[in-house]
Amino acid sequence: KAGVTQTPRYLIKTRGQQVTLSCSPISGHRSVSWYQQTPGQGLQFLFEYFSETQRNKGNFPGRFSGRQFSNSRSEMNVSTLELGDSALYLCASSKIRASYNEQFFGPGTRLTVL
Amino acid sequence: ELKVEQNPLFLSMQEGKNYTIYCNYSTTSDRLYWYRQDPGKSLESLFVLLSNGAVKQEGRLMASLDTKARLSTLHITAAVHDLSATYFCAVEQYSGGSNYKLTFGKGTLLTVNP
Repeated sequence: KAGVTQTPRYLIKTRGQQVTLSCSPISGHRSVSWYQQTPGQGLQFLFEYFSETQRNKGNFPGRFSGRQFSNSRSEMNVSTLELGDSALYLCASSKIRASYNEQFFGPGTRLTVL
Repeated sequence: ELKVEQNPLFLSMQEGKNYTIYCNYSTTSDRLYWYRQDPGKSLESLFVLLSNGAVKQEGRLMASLDTKARLSTLHITAAVHDLSATYFCAVEQYSGGSNYKLTFGKGTLLTVNP
């Protein structure tokens, strides 16, 4: 069974540009969550999508947005990039069930903003 | 709002020694997960704990859950260098249907020295 995939794996952008990251969840998983990880702030929750709806959102500015498609694939977009957006962006998927909802993580996209 | 606190945040230990990482959380939950992250890599699921008194073991790692104390422990026995990584606990809040939220601790950076 294929795991969570994220593309691209590495990205270099300059300040002011925008970027789109993609995440394909494990087959059958309908919940997709995004996290930002930096050495200073650690692992921070961005948002969670289920059935194309954003259900939970972390404390990030509106420059960070996302969406989910009908096949559960998800994208996140960061506009007007700042140096501080340099981070590892992780996507995690979960198969929603009443018993438990373990998240499985993709390899991440490492974004560098110059 | 659920708060998840791990301690210690940094742990340097010698090979062959035992130690415990603690994960405290602020509201009722009987669903807790432990993850491992190697430097530059993504998070890998280690343990799923789903009831009071649950204990899981894998090699030199053993995790337990006390829902009444709102506490989980990750015990390391006879540490070896390969266990050097960052360990995260995550607590799930499930409110029925498809509604769940996972809150992560800040992580414990474990370094095992020869």
